[in-house]
Amino acid sequence: KNEVEQSPQNLTAQEGEFITINCSYSVGISALHWLQQHPGGGIVSLFMLSSGKKKHGRLIATINIQEKHSSLHITASHPRDSAVYICAVRLYSGGGADGLTFGKGTHLIIQP
Amino acid sequence: DARVTQTPRHKVTEMGQEVTMRCQPILGHNTVFWYRQTMMQGLELLAYFRNRAPLDDSGMPKDRFSAEMPDATLATLKIQPSEPRDSAVYFCASGHREDTGALYEQYFGPGTRLTVT
Repeated sequence: KNEVEQSPQNLTAQEGEFITINCSYSVGISALHWLQQHPGGGIVSLFMLSSGKKKHGRLIATINIQEKHSSLHITASHPRDSAVYICAVRLYSGGGADGLTFGKGTHLIIQP
Repeated sequence: DARVTQTPRHKVTEMGQEVTMRCQPILGHNTVFWYRQTMMQGLELLAYFRNRAPLDDSGMPKDRFSAEMPDATLATLKIQPSEPRDSAVYFCASGHREDTGALYEQYFGPGTRLTVT
């Protein structure tokens, strides 16, 4: 079983729809990252969370540490939001392990 | 606009050849990561360094892979000999970890797409 599970794997929606991508993890973490990978392949960090909720423009990320669950929401989705969204966790370690463990990604397509 | 740079961006080589990938982290960052992305496995951590010292290379096949930081501005990932199963995109990322241990962002390079035939 993967330590980080994302759902759905694929999502196609119409422009303007509200999008939710979910991430569950099975281990103790010190932080959770949401990453975006565009078709060109570059990876951009959208959010880094250790608790609560963060908002940036039309993107909102939440995390529930007790339930080991995070969601990424996109409001008023647009075709330019089409990308792969990847959840990644930094495992909790007293020694400060910093490398990320990744989910398989959610392939999002927003149709005009 | 500070960025992580990687060279080469694309590399095609034959099985058995040595491959060297290079990464220039963002100036001032003290932590450098190497990740690999394949269709089957997705993204996975290979190794990472802090202040040029290797902290974790457990994700790296030891017999053929080696990672080094000759200086603070250069990280290298070497594969010798290369095999077709090494075909992947190799990403370098950097970040700065304060002594307080506060959480910090990782900034990814554009990746090196390696094809081993």
